Amino acid sequence: RKEVEQDPGPFNVPEGATVAFNCTYSNSASQSFFWYRQDCRKEPKLLMSVYSSGNEDGRFTAQLNRASQYISLLIRDSKLSDSATYLCVLNTGTASKLTFGTGTRLQVTL
Amino acid sequence: NAGVTQTPKFQVLKTGQSMTLQCAQDMNHEYMSWYRQDPGMGLRLIHYSVGAGITDQGEVPNGYNVSRSTTEDFPLRLLSAAPSQTSVYFCASGTDITEAFFGQGTRLTVV
Repeated sequence: RKEVEQDPGPFNVPEGATVAFNCTYSNSASQSFFWYRQDCRKEPKLLMSVYSSGNEDGRFTAQLNRASQYISLLIRDSKLSDSATYLCVLNTGTASKLTFGTGTRLQVTL
Repeated sequence: NAGVTQTPKFQVLKTGQSMTLQCAQDMNHEYMSWYRQDPGMGLRLIHYSVGAGITDQGEVPNGYNVSRSTTEDFPLRLLSAAPSQTSVYFCASGTDITEAFFGQGTRLTVV
């Protein structure tokens, strides 16, 4: 079983739609959780950290369920500029040792 | 503000050749790491360092060496390139467990 599993997509949604991505992880010792965004042929960049209490950053909401080992990302009012691959990331140690999911591709259309 | 700088951006090697991918960061980060990204595989950790003089292996270290003589630099050496090492390589740095900053990547093709 992969350490981090994501639906690869693509998710094709119209502008203004709400879309949700899920991610499951197998290592219960994982300490920190993140969503990174990666544009085509670019480097990954941190979108947001994920906390057990849930956290929101503008149109983006992230949730963590430690009991079910499950992470989610909700994007409201999708924009064309949200088109990218969203990577579920966790670590069990330091910033040197991140474990990445394979990513979920989002395509927002007019 | 340069952040994490990788060179070269593109490279073509012949099987058996060696080369060094350079990575430098100007943020005084303790932690640095190298990942490779292949289609359908996600990013996989090759080697990492928690400070100058300290390195360790990640998930896929075979065929690669690293050293960390300074805080700023973390080069990755391919000892004898193989077609299986064709990939996109990313260097990253960070201060703690919260965020990793990535370089722009090196696209390597081994023929």
